[in-house]
Formats: sequence, C-alpha cells, structure tokens
Amino acid sequence: GQNIDQPTEMTATEGAIVQINCTYQTSGFNGLFWYQQHAGEAPTFLSYNVLDGLEEKGRFSSFLSRSKGYSYLLLKELQMKDSASYLCAASDSNYQLIWGAGTKLIIKP
Amino acid sequence: ETGVTQTPRHLVMGMTNKKSLKCEQHLGHNAMYWYKQSAKKPLELMFVYSLEERVENNSVPSRFSPECPNSSHLFLHLHTLQPEDSALYLCASSQEIAGGGTGELFFGEGSRLTVL
Repeated sequence: GQNIDQPTEMTATEGAIVQINCTYQTSGFNGLFWYQQHAGEAPTFLSYNVLDGLEEKGRFSSFLSRSKGYSYLLLKELQMKDSASYLCAASDSNYQLIWGAGTKLIIKP
Repeated sequence: ETGVTQTPRHLVMGMTNKKSLKCEQHLGHNAMYWYKQSAKKPLELMFVYSLEERVENNSVPSRFSPECPNSSHLFLHLHTLQPEDSALYLCASSQEIAGGGTGELFFGEGSRLTVL
C-alpha cells in the first residue's frame, strides 16, 4: 500500500535548527510536497522536490532522496511564528497526493 | 480578495439537517478539491473536479454530495450526517499541467463541522 510516515510532534528552541523527516512508499513517484499549517488556518505550500538533492528557500530547505524514499524539511534560525504543523505529501504515478498525518512543531523561547 | 474562500467557517448541525458548504476560488485555476481533515490523521481526498467535471470520488458516503457549477465555485451538500463526520473540511484549487499533474494546491481556511 501507499504510505507516508512523519513524526507526530517535535519541539525546538527559538533560534535553533530543526529537521522534520518524511519517508514515503508510493506506486510510482512524481514529486514530494511540504505544506505548513498554522492552527486554525489553511495549509500553505512550502516546497516541491522531484529530483534528488537540496532545495533552499530562505530559512527553509527541503531535501529528497528518491532511492531511499526519504525527504526532510530543514528550518533554520527558528522563530516563534514557525510553530505550526508541517505536512508531507508524495505524488504517485497517477499524480494523486498521498499525505502524511503532519508533524506538529512546537517552538520554545 | 483571498485566493480560496470558504463559508461558513463554522457549522453545527443535527443528524437530520441539510446544509451546504461553499468554496470560491479567485485564482483562475481549473481544478478544485474537497478534503476532510481530522485530528492527527492524513488529509483525506473526497472529491476532485477538473474543468467542472468530477474526476475522482474516493468512496465517499452518499450523504456528501458535491456540486461544481463553474470553475470558480464548489459546493459540498450535507445530508443526514453522522457524528463521526465532524471534522474540518478543506477546499483547494490548483492549475492542472498539460501532460499530467498539477501545480501546488491553494487551500481555503476550512469549514469546521460539528455533527450532534
């Protein structure tokens, strides 16, 4: 079956770095998405990876290894506003998105 | 105007009521979606419309009935729901890419549904 695994919850300190991991098993693969969702708000797009390697976008970076079925989202210089849930989703051979349950990130001062 | 707007934001209904959720997108996208979001569970895709035609229905109970009158509007009609249907219902839109796939999803803020 198709599956996405990501940690349920993580805690980090303001100013630090945190890495949120995501492993996926899909029938075919057409890329991996990361979304951010603040409590009570809409999910918003963060990144898309389809090729192996690291994509950097400001304080956020996303990494993909297709051979390992693995991705991570790296957040640097953490700010209190980064407290949110981070959703990982893989696109399968039919371009259907398979979603993880999300990782709730708690930032402490 | 925000990209994707959903109304109402909150809805409480009894099991015998009939209500509708509304979604409107101002992004010129050609695909719209209904998702169900329950606590600590992955997003569940309910319905997909591409160019106003339903292209996917993931075995959703018939008490949920979608309607897409045009590319900018999407409705979810609710009838005789169960308490386990209580969840956040998210609407999203995207632009389909020639050859397959879509661009990123743009979500509305959701309609929080409570079924008593």
